[in-house]
Amino acid sequence: AQSVTQPDIHITVSEGASLELRCNYSYGATPYLFWYVQSPGQGLQLLLKYFSGDTLVQGIKGFEAEFKRSQSSFNLRKPSVHWSDAAEYFCAALSSASKIIFGSGTRLSIRP
Amino acid sequence: DADVTQTPRNRITKTGKRIMLECSQTKGHDRMYWYRQDPGLGLRLIYYSFDVKDINKGEISDGYSVSRQAQAKFSLSLESAIPNQTALYFCATSRGTPNTGELFFGEGSRLTVL
Repeated sequence: AQSVTQPDIHITVSEGASLELRCNYSYGATPYLFWYVQSPGQGLQLLLKYFSGDTLVQGIKGFEAEFKRSQSSFNLRKPSVHWSDAAEYFCAALSSASKIIFGSGTRLSIRP
Repeated sequence: DADVTQTPRNRITKTGKRIMLECSQTKGHDRMYWYRQDPGLGLRLIYYSFDVKDINKGEISDGYSVSRQAQAKFSLSLESAIPNQTALYFCATSRGTPNTGELFFGEGSRLTVL
């Protein structure tokens, strides 16, 4: 079955430190991949997306993600986190049935 | 005004009551979705609709029903609410053509069933 896995439930990083959030997918073909962010009390907002082409994609708020077919991964990165980045992050994929399937999310906390 | 509006934003109800969550959108999108969010489980798809005459069950449709009253309106009903339906519910929309898969979310409806 098609699935998206986020192995880290909760991550804490210091402000100014680098960040990497992991995402693995299980699909036969190359899926469309997404990262969404949910700030407290808010809906989800798209950070970035990968459809094809360059495997390193840039998004909003200084985030980037790299698609690695050999590892079935689409990890989210940011070189230097800010306190306002504290939120929950969801990796997602567009399935063959044109539905978006989400991972279970990773909650990011920022240490002052 | 928000592009995707959900009402009510918060609701507390009792077991056995009928509840309707409403969603309206001004994005002109054909596709609409209802998701449920529970801690540690991410977002799970309840129902989705690719146009007014098309309704499809998602992965957790039991206990829920939907109505697509117009292109812009998609309602979720709990005919007889139970406590394990306590959750945060999100409506979302996406374009039909081209299908980029990008979702646009409402701000959520928090439902508590006592």
